[in-house]
Amino acid sequence: EVQLVESGGGLVQPGRSLRLSCTASGFTFGDYAMIWVRQAPGKGPEWVGFIRSKTDGGTTEYAASVKGRFTISRDDSKSIAYLQMNSLKSEDTGVYYCTREGGVGASHYDYWGQGTLVTVSS
Amino acid sequence: EIVLTQSPDFQSVTPKEKVTITCRASQSIGSSLHWYQQKPGQSPKLLVKYGSQSFSGVPSRFSGSGSGTDFTLTINSLEAEDAATYYCHQSYSLPRTFGPGTIVDIK
Repeated sequence: EVQLVESGGGLVQPGRSLRLSCTASGFTFGDYAMIWVRQAPGKGPEWVGFIRSKTDGGTTEYAASVKGRFTISRDDSKSIAYLQMNSLKSEDTGVYYCTREGGVGASHYDYWGQGTLVTVSS
Repeated sequence: EIVLTQSPDFQSVTPKEKVTITCRASQSIGSSLHWYQQKPGQSPKLLVKYGSQSFSGVPSRFSGSGSGTDFTLTINSLEAEDAATYYCHQSYSLPRTFGPGTIVDIK
């Protein structure tokens, strides 16, 4: 069974940093691109960025709103994807989900974690 | 950036009725359009991928159609458990984007 479990959320002051983790199980993690999506309270999902599989170069892409502040990385030996968030702003508040692309050549998001809440406030 | 618009914003429906939700892209995206269902307090769940392909385990009353700029999600014979917000999502180009959502409420 595919499972994705996010952790690391919490209350953080503006300007500080936080690192989220997404621990995967039930599939060969290294074969999949991993994506972070966030959702502000009462709003729709917003794509944050993703990291390709090592086979596809392991490169990353980001939304303009987080580029230069957020970094996505992966540890295939541990089946974990990370989201390092620096210089946090109040508008970064929301539930952060990790999800995966549905396989080689695929671009839909087939399984999602339950999310972890990040609150940026003084 | 490709903008997705959905209509209607909200729909109140009686059980067994048919629901139709549309998603329009600001430019042609081929079939790179996917539909998700999200219930309160839960993460989104994939219903339909690439415009019309049902995802494994999704009830057959959910179906999708369309290509290019206009797409439709249809729920045949709505059930009470289908009360949720439905989002479309494009994977044609970066940045990936989502529609604003359609709330389906059960009368």
